[in-house]
Amino acid sequence: AQRVTQPEKLLSVFKGAPVELKCNYSYSGSPELFWYVQYSRQRLQLLLRHISRESIKGFTADLNKGETSFHLKKPFAQEEDSAMYYCALQGAQKLVFGQGTRLTINP
Amino acid sequence: DGGITQSPKYLFRKEGQNVTLSCEQNLNHDAMYWYRQDPGQGLRLIYYSQIVNDFQKGDIAEGYSVSREKKESFPLTVTSAQKNPTAFYLCASRKKGGGAYNEQFFGPGTRLTVL
Repeated sequence: AQRVTQPEKLLSVFKGAPVELKCNYSYSGSPELFWYVQYSRQRLQLLLRHISRESIKGFTADLNKGETSFHLKKPFAQEEDSAMYYCALQGAQKLVFGQGTRLTINP
Repeated sequence: DGGITQSPKYLFRKEGQNVTLSCEQNLNHDAMYWYRQDPGQGLRLIYYSQIVNDFQKGDIAEGYSVSREKKESFPLTVTSAQKNPTAFYLCASRKKGGGAYNEQFFGPGTRLTVL
């Protein structure tokens, strides 16, 4: 069965501090993982996908198959990073989302 | 914002009434999805459709129904059998195949409130 776990519902950090949003997954096949973000009053949108190994808005995420994790990281948080973040796992037919983490960046 | 549209933005329903939420996409995507978003519970899949005239139940299909008569459209009906329908509903679409290179695109959502 596919499962995605985001252990933190809320995360609050100060501007300029490092950010790490945790994501663990359970999947028997080869995982295809994504991070989606929902800014206030905007629609849910893709932030990054593991297969691209890219940095978007300063965020990176590395797939660790040994630890079955896909944590999202940013070295220096900015106020505009405040949003709801979802980790998601693409299965054969559907995308499974974690419960989401609301990130708040304090000035 | 084009791509995927949902209407209405806000919907109020009396108990015992069925309501239909609209979802349209002009991305030529094969697959379409309906999710329900509740605080602290993430996005839960209600129904999905990979192709016209075919759809499958998701994790929380009870009390909901869908149709897929056209590729562009995937309306969701919230029936009176849905015990707790007040929620934010999101529609999404995705190009078929492509694995991790094909992400889902989301609509702006419909907030349904049962009075």
